[in-house]
Amino acid sequence: DIQMTQSPSTLSASVGDRVTITCRASQSISKFLAWYRQTPGTAPNLLIYKTSTLESGVPSRFSGNGSGTEFTLTISSLQPDDFATYYCQQYNNYVTFGPGTKVDIK
Amino acid sequence: QVQLVESGGGVVQPGGSLRLSCVVSGFTFSNYGMHWVRQAPGKGLEWLAVISFNGDKTDYVESVKGRFTISRDNSRNTLFLQMNNLRAEDTAVFYCARDRYTSGWYFLDFWGLGTLVTVSS
Repeated sequence: DIQMTQSPSTLSASVGDRVTITCRASQSISKFLAWYRQTPGTAPNLLIYKTSTLESGVPSRFSGNGSGTEFTLTISSLQPDDFATYYCQQYNNYVTFGPGTKVDIK
Repeated sequence: QVQLVESGGGVVQPGGSLRLSCVVSGFTFSNYGMHWVRQAPGKGLEWLAVISFNGDKTDYVESVKGRFTISRDNSRNTLFLQMNNLRAEDTAVFYCARDRYTSGWYFLDFWGLGTLVTVSS
C-alpha cells in the first residue's frame, strides 16, 4: 500500500502570505496526485489534480508541483477562505489520502 | 447542478449493521465511478471503497474488507454502502463522492454533505 505524509501538520499564517504544503508518497506515484481543501463542517473540495492541473473554478492563487514521491501545494496570497485543512490524495495505486495540513490564523 | 445526498446514518450498537444510500442528480450516474470516504470526529479523510461505473469492479481499504459492501443501482441513481459488524472505531461522517472517470480509481470531483454514523452501546 502507498502511504502519504504531509508537512507541516499545522501552519499559522496571515492573509496575504505565501504558503507551501508538502506531500510525500512512500513510493513513486508519477504525477497522480490531487489536492483538496476542507473547511470545518463541510465536505472536501477538489482544488488540483494530476499534480498541477487546476480544477475548474479554483482561483489561480493555488498551484501544484512535483513528481514521483514529493509534491507541493502553494497558495500565493492567502485569503480568508483559505484557512482550512488541506489533503493530498494519490491515485496511482488505488486511493490514499494524506493526514492533512491545517492552515490557521497567526 | 451536481448533487449527492447521503442518508441512512444514525446510532447503532457494536456488532450491528447499517445501510447507507447516496442519491445523485445533475449528471449521468451510470457514466462515473463512485467512492465512499469517511472522517472520524476531529480526524482526517479515510478512503473506504470504490465501484466502477457499471458495478463490475469494486475495491476496499483493508480495514473494512469483508464487513462493508459497496453497490449501486444505476436505474435509481443511487449508491449504497452496506456496513456489517460495526465497531466503535467506525464512528464517522460518511461521504459519497464521484470519481472523475468511469473506472473509479482517480480523483473525487464532487462530494455529498455526509451522513453521521455513531457506533455506541
